[in-house]
This record gives sequence, structure tokens and C-alpha cells, in this order.
Amino acid sequence: QSVLTQPPSASGTPGQRVTISCSGSSSNIGTNTVQWYQQLPGTAPKLLIYRNDQRPSGVPDRFSGSKSVTSASLAISGLRSEDEADYYCEAWDDSLNGRLFGGGTKVTVL
Amino acid sequence: QVQLVQSGAEVKKPGASVKVSCKASGYTFTNYGVTWVRQAPGQGLEWMGWISPYSGHTRYARHLQGRVTMTTDTSTTTAYLELKSLKSDDTAVYYCARDESEVTPRGNWFDPWGQGTLVTVSS
Repeated sequence: QSVLTQPPSASGTPGQRVTISCSGSSSNIGTNTVQWYQQLPGTAPKLLIYRNDQRPSGVPDRFSGSKSVTSASLAISGLRSEDEADYYCEAWDDSLNGRLFGGGTKVTVL
Repeated sequence: QVQLVQSGAEVKKPGASVKVSCKASGYTFTNYGVTWVRQAPGQGLEWMGWISPYSGHTRYARHLQGRVTMTTDTSTTTAYLELKSLKSDDTAVYYCARDESEVTPRGNWFDPWGQGTLVTVSS
């Protein structure tokens, strides 16, 4: 099945740890790497995590990624107000022969 | 610094075509691919396709094949996205992004992204 499923929303108070899941299948996450993108309100997306758990330079180590079989997760530790954004997972899908984005998760800092 | 600058907003009528440009700077254009992604109002991200400026090879999203054409001009380090037979649900912000690979669209990442171009399709 060619779909990446994310919860529509997640929230936490400042300083808390928030985890976002991304559920896929053997045709996408099961055999390909996962990326995560952050989209702040009114701006273009920004690369947050690549190759499942790698952080580009400049991305704080509060952000971490992991992958297990056909699911992936993004964790934000020490939540800050500036982390309020939409977060998208993404992976290549062998059945579609194209790239797939998850539906996105809106993170709210309470 | 690495930068992608896109052309300005467009308003088109249904059935028309639109061509969006993406000017790259700060890196060797032919060493990376270019990916196009769009985002309808209030919706998520949708991958449209990939092009290699080095070889000209393309890979389009299946549901857009026949309506989409991606090209590059290496002399001006500019990528282009053309979408034909526009419909109202093509109304979206269109983004270009540097793709890590100029060889294959599989298994890469997109960094950085252009600022986006709003295309409005309305009669």
C-alpha cells in the first residue's frame, strides 16, 4: 500500500519530548530511507532529517529520527515555542516508482 | 550560499498552461538533481517529479504524466516546470528543491527549497 500515515496533530509543553510516527509498508519505508521536513507557518519546507537518522548541519540535536521495519519516528526533545510547525515524513515508494509524503503532523506548543 | 529563487505568482484560466522557473546558485548545477513539489491551500506536500540537469533524465509522478514537463537550462542554471491543461485543483504553491542525486530520484533528500510560486487556476 503506497501511503505514509502520520497523526494529524501532536502537542506538548515547553521542555517536553514529542514523538511523531510515520507508518508505511514494505514498498516504501521497509526498503528505502526516510526523510523528515519541517514547515514553519508561511514558509517553504526545510530538511530536518535524512537517511532515517542523519541531521544536516545547523539542525539542533533536539531533533532525532529513527526507523524500524516499516515505520519511522521523529522525536523533538526539549520542546520550544519555535518548534511549532508542520512536520512531514517522506520516502521513495517502489510500487509507485516515485516519492511519497506523509500527510503531515501539526505540532503545537502549549 | 546555495539558493533557489523561483519566479513570481501566476493566475491562469482552466485549460491553460503555466511555466514556473527556478534559478539555482551557489553550487554546481549539474552535480545535483531538481525535484518539484506542490502544496494545495491548507493541504500537505505532493511530489511532482525529478530531473537531472546533467543528463536531462526525468521521472514524473504517475498521476501527472502527460501534463507535466520538467526541463533545465544549464547555461543559466535554471530549472523549469510546465503544467498543461490546468484545472482548479492545480491551484497550489509550487516548490523546487535541490535533490541530492543527479543520477536517480530514489533514496535522496531535498535541500534547500525555493521560496515557492503560487499558481492560481480560476475562470
